Amino acid sequence: GQNIDQPTEMTATEGAIVQINCTYQTSGFNGLFWYQQHAGEAPTFLSYNVLDGLEEKGRFSSFLSRSKGYSYLLLKELQMKDSASYLCAVRDRNSGYALNFGKGTSLLVTP
Amino acid sequence: DTGVSQNPRHKITKRGQNVTFRCDPISEHNRLYWYRQTLGQGPEFLTYFQNEAQLEKSRLLSDRFSAERPKGSFSTLEIQRTEQGDSAMYLCATDPVTHTIYFGEGSWLTVV
Repeated sequence: GQNIDQPTEMTATEGAIVQINCTYQTSGFNGLFWYQQHAGEAPTFLSYNVLDGLEEKGRFSSFLSRSKGYSYLLLKELQMKDSASYLCAVRDRNSGYALNFGKGTSLLVTP
Repeated sequence: DTGVSQNPRHKITKRGQNVTFRCDPISEHNRLYWYRQTLGQGPEFLTYFQNEAQLEKSRLLSDRFSAERPKGSFSTLEIQRTEQGDSAMYLCATDPVTHTIYFGEGSWLTVV
């Protein structure tokens, strides 16, 4: 089984930087994914990490430490439209390569 | 638009009725997944296909649930004798054997 933990809620100010943490435990780690999900919509892919280090994609960056079972998603220059739920998901080669999701972090960006 | 199409997008049904959802993936994507998501939770894995073969089923997938993927193309998820606890968004996702999994728009089920 897998335990994926991330904070339930976070609040940040427009223009600021926010870091959303995710910790996990898995036996057959095969990648960590971050998804964004707006209310009432399906998740949309943000990033993928399989090796340690930082992956940068525009305003969003994702970091992975496999030895610590830890990842974070960094959002820079926050915009109001970034208010959404951010889902951390781990892929396990022992589970048919399915993604197992955390419960998500609800981010509220305030003016 | 991820290219993964699901229908119907919304379904309201009476308890005890059967419902079927369909997923049309991007044609060259070999892996197909079904997930269920309830309010305030992350998506929960239901089942997984590699081409037409159903390779894994979650314990969440009771005997009232069945999924098929004939010919390795579109997939259907049927729920028999629906219960109020089945109310959720049902998500289809496909994977072109790379490291990106694409979700469809989801099918909302409300059981009344």
